[in-house]
Order: sequence, then C-alpha cells, then structure tokens
Amino acid sequence: DTAVSQTPKYLVTQMGNDKSIKCEQNLGHDTMYWYKQDSKKFLKIMFSYNNKELIINETVPNRFSPKSPDKAHLNLHINSLELGDSAVYFCASSPIPGQGNTGELFFGEGSRLTVL
Amino acid sequence: AQKITQTQPGMFVQEKEAVTLDCTYDTSDPSYGLFWYKQPSSGEMIFLIYQGSYDQQNATEGRYSLNFQKARKSANLVISASQLGDSAMYFCAMRELANAGGTSYGKLTFGQGTILTVHP
Repeated sequence: DTAVSQTPKYLVTQMGNDKSIKCEQNLGHDTMYWYKQDSKKFLKIMFSYNNKELIINETVPNRFSPKSPDKAHLNLHINSLELGDSAVYFCASSPIPGQGNTGELFFGEGSRLTVL
Repeated sequence: AQKITQTQPGMFVQEKEAVTLDCTYDTSDPSYGLFWYKQPSSGEMIFLIYQGSYDQQNATEGRYSLNFQKARKSANLVISASQLGDSAMYFCAMRELANAGGTSYGKLTFGQGTILTVHP
C-alpha cells in the first residue's frame, strides 16, 4: 500500500494549458509539501500545508495554486503553463518533528511535467 | 544565502571501497536536523540517515554513517563497501524548526546533490 501517492506520473501538455497533480498520503501525517526538481536536479520547496492550512509559500508564481481538502490530500493546480514549468514535482509528507520522530520527509514517486 | 552546500558534483568509487560525500550547512538555529536522501535513476527519493543537532554520537544505518562535525558545520555521508546499486544522486538536507500559528513544523532545504558512480 503506497504511503504517498501522486497522479499522474507523467503529464505532457501545451503551453497555456491548465493542469492539476493530485497527492494523497495514508501515513496520518499533519504536514504535506510540494517540491519542484528542475532539470539540474535541484529540489526546491514550493508549498507546505499543516492540517489543511498553508504554512509555507516560497515565492511561487500565483499561477500555482495548492489546495488541501483534508490533511491527507494536497493537490497542485497550475494555470497558463509555461515552458519553464517543465520539471518533476514531488509531493511529500512528514510528521511533526520532535514527537519521537525525526520529521523526515516521505516522498511520492514524482510527477514529470513536460510543457511543449 | 546557500544553507546547504554539496561541493562535489560527481564522485567515483570502486566497488567494495568506501566513499565520503561532503555536506556543509549554515544555520543559527541551535535545534536542527540533517538528512541524507538517495535518488536512483528511477527517480524516487529514498531516506538514508538522520542526525539531530543534539545527538552526541554519529548516526549509523547499516553501510551508511554520518560524520557529524558540529563546530565545522559539516555532515558528511560515508558509504562503506560500495555496491553497484549505490550509483545514484545523493542529497544532503537540513531541517530547521519553524512556527506558524502556534504549530511547530519542519522545512527541509536540500543541497545541490552529488552523483555517485560505483565502478565494478
């Protein structure tokens, strides 16, 4: 049973389109994240939600809108896609650090977005 | 300012040899955590090892150990007895605690990564 699952795994679309990536975790974690991994493999945090509340927004263009309907789900919607949005998007979740755990991130398998 | 630095873009090691992947960090927070993740060519992110800033001993997990030198702000990963399956990208990451709305949470910042190639 996959702990953090994201769909779709591959997404190919035209510039200007709108697309969504969905993420679900069954680990009971309170905190979920979206990370972007660019073509140079650099991983950068985009957003974080804690129990459905936005807590981190790392100067991401407002074409990117995360939504958390409940603490087990964090979806990412992208409007007006641009060539530079091509990347691998990772969803992750973590327990709150310090409650007998390290606060490590549990990652989904990634969603590779290609904008043509 | 870069908080996590991995200065080795690529490393090569002979199978069965040990290899050290470097990581330095910068923080003024007394409480932080350091992580290493492995990303094979298949793309998934695999957690390897964790070191807390207050941990007295260096962390070990099987063939992985973390050489934690707090005063030098370094957290190097040592892989002993390298295997062909160790060939991958390795990321060092630091978690700093932050608070929002009365809730503490951790935000992981990643280094640039080091590509490790194990030769037979």
